[in-house]
Amino acid sequence: GQNIDQPTEMTATEGAIVQINCTYQTSGFNGLFWYQQHAGEAPTFLSYNVLDGLEEKGRFSSFLSRSKGYSYLLLKELQMKDSASYLCAVRDRDSNYQLIWGAGTKLIIKP
Amino acid sequence: DSGVTQTPKHLITATGQRVTLRCSPRSGDLSVYWYQQSLDQGLQFLIQYYNGEERAKGNILERFSAQQFPDLHSELNLSSLELGDSALYFCASSATSGGSQETQYFGPGTRLLVL
Repeated sequence: GQNIDQPTEMTATEGAIVQINCTYQTSGFNGLFWYQQHAGEAPTFLSYNVLDGLEEKGRFSSFLSRSKGYSYLLLKELQMKDSASYLCAVRDRDSNYQLIWGAGTKLIIKP
Repeated sequence: DSGVTQTPKHLITATGQRVTLRCSPRSGDLSVYWYQQSLDQGLQFLIQYYNGEERAKGNILERFSAQQFPDLHSELNLSSLELGDSALYFCASSATSGGSQETQYFGPGTRLLVL
């Protein structure tokens, strides 16, 4: 079946680095997305990976290993405004290319 | 601002009632997706429309229906409302039918409260 796992909550310190992991099981993997969602607001697109490796975008990087069914989102130089939920979503060919969403990781940044 | 608009922002209604949520996609986008997000829950995909036609269906209840109009805006109709339908309803849009690199852009959501 399809399954996406992320930690429910993480805490990190302002200025530090945090890695949010996502593991997935899907029959027709066709790309992985990371979105950021502040409480009560819309999810906003952060990154997309379809090939193995690291994609860097400023303070945020995303890594994918298709053979391990694993991705992570790396946030550097954490700022208070990074406190949000981070959603991992996998596009699945066998679900008519729909996104299968993880429950999200709530990241709390402490001063 | 993603360019996706949703109205209304907030909606309070009673059990048994019917409501309509409206979404306008980003200019040029042909697909519209509807999602439900209950408190502290993940996003649940409801339905996708592409260029006026239903493209994919997720966990959408029979009490819920949607359509996409010729001008590409979409409406989600929720009927016989129950307390458990209280949630944030998001609309997202994408350029075409949802190919491999296509990103979905989300509207600000409609917060529905059923009393």
